[in-house]
Amino acid sequence: GQQVMQIPQYQHVQEGEDFTTYCNSSTTLSNIQWYKQRPGGHPVFLIQLVKSGEVKKQKRLTFQFGEAKKNSSLHITATQTTDVGTYFCAGQSNTDKLIFGTGTRLQVFP
Amino acid sequence: GAGVSQTPSNKVTEKGKYVELRCDPISGHTALYWYRQSLGQGPEFLIYFQGTGAADDSGLPNDRFFAVRPEGSVSTLKIQRTERGDSAVYLCASSSDFTSYNEQFFGPGTRLTVL
Repeated sequence: GQQVMQIPQYQHVQEGEDFTTYCNSSTTLSNIQWYKQRPGGHPVFLIQLVKSGEVKKQKRLTFQFGEAKKNSSLHITATQTTDVGTYFCAGQSNTDKLIFGTGTRLQVFP
Repeated sequence: GAGVSQTPSNKVTEKGKYVELRCDPISGHTALYWYRQSLGQGPEFLIYFQGTGAADDSGLPNDRFFAVRPEGSVSTLKIQRTERGDSAVYLCASSSDFTSYNEQFFGPGTRLTVL
């Protein structure tokens, strides 16, 4: 079945450093979504990417969808302590169910 | 407005017992999803409903798990003969429609512990 992997599994950075998490799907996706889950919380939607090669920005966050629509990345510039949490990508193939990635847990030290 | 709510927030039960977990989606949302999340893992798809019908239940691990949504709003996830391996956080989410391209709004989850 479809699998979605993320790397790294865990990263800790100093506040102000950049952070990137990578997401890879075993199958071509119709769209990919990104969610953030704070410790003890539930996943919260960040963004959705649909088009091949699409790049979207939200303040310090940059999201990219690969040309082949099988991979994606999330880059955070100048991390802040409020960025702490686990970032999940979630891939969808046409109208099929959403498959969540393994997640990247980000820890930011002040 | 009100978000997705789930009850109970915590449920502790003994092995072999039956449990019901409830999800109240955002009003007007036709699509409802159940996920299971174990510690350190991503949400694992269980089932989704479009209206009253289960459009895809391929994620249910076995026939001890069953979910209903009789009136197209509130949903109940039912687990029979619980096992210790069923311990996890059960998340419910809803979206305005089941098509591609719709964000899912998650509830706070029910933490199930099977002793």
